[in-house]
Amino acid sequence: DQQVKQNSPSLSVQEGRISILNCDYTNSMFDYFLWYKKYPAEGPTFLISISSIKDKNEDGRFTVFLNKSAKHLSLHIVPSQPGDSAVYFCAAKDSGGGADGLTFGKGTHLIIQP
Amino acid sequence: DAGVIQSPRHEVTEMGQEVTLRCKPISGHDYLFWYRQTMMRGLELLIYFNNNVPIDDSGMPEDRFSAKMPNASFSTLKIQPSEPRDSAVYFCASSPATFVQATHYGYTFGSGTRLTVV
Repeated sequence: DQQVKQNSPSLSVQEGRISILNCDYTNSMFDYFLWYKKYPAEGPTFLISISSIKDKNEDGRFTVFLNKSAKHLSLHIVPSQPGDSAVYFCAAKDSGGGADGLTFGKGTHLIIQP
Repeated sequence: DAGVIQSPRHEVTEMGQEVTLRCKPISGHDYLFWYRQTMMRGLELLIYFNNNVPIDDSGMPEDRFSAKMPNASFSTLKIQPSEPRDSAVYFCASSPATFVQATHYGYTFGSGTRLTVV
């Protein structure tokens, strides 16, 4: 009963093109969403987040879009660079739920091809 | 700041043995989280502490798992006895507050401990 789902285990994109990573959630109480990036043998690092009061947040080459009605968010990376090759985790939180942990998806392995 | 420090980086042990994973959070962070990463389930929250007090351990898989935080700078996750299905990467993370800013949730993860139980 995964509450945060990343249905694509892997994604291959050519360098310079746009990478789009998708995430779906089932818990309507989630109101903060985050993306983490993970390189092999390292811990996840925070990339970008969005509050449910917004539908878009942009930081340089990274943009996160939130569609609350569809319970869907996506991460756009443009242009994609070789250093973007990593596993990307989508995470969510219910800020009013009294619990402080994040719920993560299983991750999508992004491969940027030269 | 050295970040969140976990030890050991790798642990190989035989089934039935006791395993202890260690974590030093970032100084000043109030929250400490233990996560486990597997291919099947991704990143799962096992337990977290606030000001050294365990708040939610509902993610701990069974009684073989226990965690302690004797002080603000140290936490352990113990598995006794260990089983092959415990093989995974275990991450520790710390955070200064529930929400640092409206759009940034300040979790910092350690590099993880890769546990293999044979």
